[in-house]
Amino acid sequence: ETGVTQTPRHLVMGMTNKKSLKCEQHLGHNAMYWYKQSAKKPLELMFVYNFKEQTENNSVPSRFSPECPNSSHLFLHLHTLQPEDSALYLCASSQASGTGELFFGEGSRLTVL
Amino acid sequence: AQKITQTQPGMFVQEKEAVTLDCTYDTSDPSYGLFWYKQPSSGEMIFLIYQGSYDQQNATEGRYSLNFQKARKSANLVISASQLGDSAMYFCAMRYGNKLVFGAGTILRVKS
Repeated sequence: ETGVTQTPRHLVMGMTNKKSLKCEQHLGHNAMYWYKQSAKKPLELMFVYNFKEQTENNSVPSRFSPECPNSSHLFLHLHTLQPEDSALYLCASSQASGTGELFFGEGSRLTVL
Repeated sequence: AQKITQTQPGMFVQEKEAVTLDCTYDTSDPSYGLFWYKQPSSGEMIFLIYQGSYDQQNATEGRYSLNFQKARKSANLVISASQLGDSAMYFCAMRYGNKLVFGAGTILRVKS
């Protein structure tokens, strides 16, 4: 079983749909992250959670709504998205303190029609 | 503000040769970590190597080594004996606190 698992791997949705991305980590970490990777752009940090509390919101539009019910699970709820929101959404986890590496999932590739 | 710069959009290397991927960073924080990740076409971000800001020696992990020059704020990745499977996107990143900031990436193509 991989350390960080993301589902679904691929998602196509219309602008009026509501969908959710799920991330689960089995590494005993206490920090979780959402990153967005658009074509020809650097990875953009969206949200950071430490011990289930949101500690970073990088000016993300409200149509993206994160949820962290416990240290092992992280969701990204999607509502009334725009075509420019089409991207690869990567989840990661790490220890909350120190400067150690982040462990990434394989990503959820989202297409908004 | 913290910033990572990768100036090489793309690189080619001949199989079995060494290649250096450039990375410079900017921070005023004395405590930080520098990372290199590999992203193949599948999309997964694979951790390669780590260098702490207080580490005295350059990090090495198998065929990967990090040329850390603190005064110049550079953290170049050296891949020795390139293999076809090394073809991928490579990202330099810096962690400070709970944030990991990425550079724009370098696409590496290994030629046979």
